[in-house]
Amino acid sequence: EIVLTQSPATLSLSPGERATLSCRASQSVGSYLAWYQQKPGQAPRLLMYDASKRATGVPARFSGSGSGTDFTLTISSLEPEDFAVYYCQQRSIWPPFTFGQGTKLEIK
Amino acid sequence: EVQLVESGGGLVQPGRSLRLSCTGSGFTFGDYTMSWVRQAPGKGLEWVGLIRSKAYGGTTEYAASVKGRFTISRDDSRSIAYLQMNSLQTEDTAVYFCTKDLLFHDAFDIWGQGTMVTVSS
Repeated sequence: EIVLTQSPATLSLSPGERATLSCRASQSVGSYLAWYQQKPGQAPRLLMYDASKRATGVPARFSGSGSGTDFTLTISSLEPEDFAVYYCQQRSIWPPFTFGQGTKLEIK
Repeated sequence: EVQLVESGGGLVQPGRSLRLSCTGSGFTFGDYTMSWVRQAPGKGLEWVGLIRSKAYGGTTEYAASVKGRFTISRDDSRSIAYLQMNSLQTEDTAVYFCTKDLLFHDAFDIWGQGTMVTVSS
């Protein structure tokens, strides 16, 4: 089973700042990596797929990069609505599809 | 609007069964692989299993934690996916989300609002 490790666990930033979230896989997943955003009491929302493709309706301030074992989600300038929990997920080697443990992006 | 709506959650005793439903609308349900993902209270996301579209055999895959206890099925004529959960354990307590695959890509692009399953005596 592929293990995804996200860092940091919590990221405290202010609106307008740049956020960089990391996801590391225990073995190569190619580019089969997705990112999701989850706000309290809501279902997750797809942000990025194939590591670097933005899902429909996702603002351009969100970008994804990486391949193999190291991936990054970047939010170029934080808006108030971006504070949430972010999960990465791999669908390269499965079952199971695995998720990272999440990074909580909180307001500083 | 593309939408998934789960139903069937509730309180159930350990060892008992429960069936969840996921009703899709706004898309051709039968064309898509459907998955179930769960989230225990205060925890992260865990993929439970999937059912492929009939075009890909309608076959199923499961996480090891539920294999042999949970069964996913689908009724494309009614645009419904089911999660039959047997021999429920306290650790199955979670919000259960139904998800739809992004066509030709490996991601869940649509999620239902989730339904809570509590396993407790």
